Amino acid sequence: GEDVEQSLFLSVREGDSSVINCTYTDSSSTYLYWYKQEPGAGLQLLTYIFSNMDMKQDQRLTVLLNKKDKHLSLRIADTQTGDSAIYFCAELGALNTDKLIFGTGTRLQVFP
Amino acid sequence: DAGVTQSPTHLIKTRGQQVTLRCSPKSGHDTVSWYQQALGQGPQFIFQYYEEEERQRGNFPDRFSGHQFPNYSSELNVNALLLGDSALYLCASSLTGEDTQYFGPGTRLTVL
Repeated sequence: GEDVEQSLFLSVREGDSSVINCTYTDSSSTYLYWYKQEPGAGLQLLTYIFSNMDMKQDQRLTVLLNKKDKHLSLRIADTQTGDSAIYFCAELGALNTDKLIFGTGTRLQVFP
Repeated sequence: DAGVTQSPTHLIKTRGQQVTLRCSPKSGHDTVSWYQQALGQGPQFIFQYYEEEERQRGNFPDRFSGHQFPNYSSELNVNALLLGDSALYLCASSLTGEDTQYFGPGTRLTVL
């Protein structure tokens, strides 16, 4: 089946690290993505990881993939108030499909 | 390098009416996907167009139709609007053979 789950809310203090978690069900997913959505805006691609990788780091962002448990996480180091937004994880479905399957999103609130 | 653009930004319609939304892909991209994002939810895949044909479709009724033009731009048409069609409609573009989709700012449709 197709299902991507995320926790709804995360609140962190400015300067701390944030970790947003995601679980997915399609073991044949090829790519997994993290998108950011600010209020009233579209989706901004943050980073992605290929399914044969365990980790990917891109500046303040670190993505960890546990394929056995179908668990994906996004760590944001030194979280800033500008990081406040909704974060979506998405999987690219099984082979020969081009549709992204999204979670319900995690609202990250950063307080000073 | 222009990103994905969508028009209009906002739209208000009444039940039973028809609506057309437009999307221009990122420069160099040839594939356009449409997603519906209801309030508080993650985006849901509607369909994807490539070479002016619908390549893949999600679980949406036939009231939702689309078109792709020779310049790769695309339209989403929704007939017989229902209150439940109120949502943010997102267009994403990609290049065939590459698996990353880039999103536009969306069109917010309100059905009264």
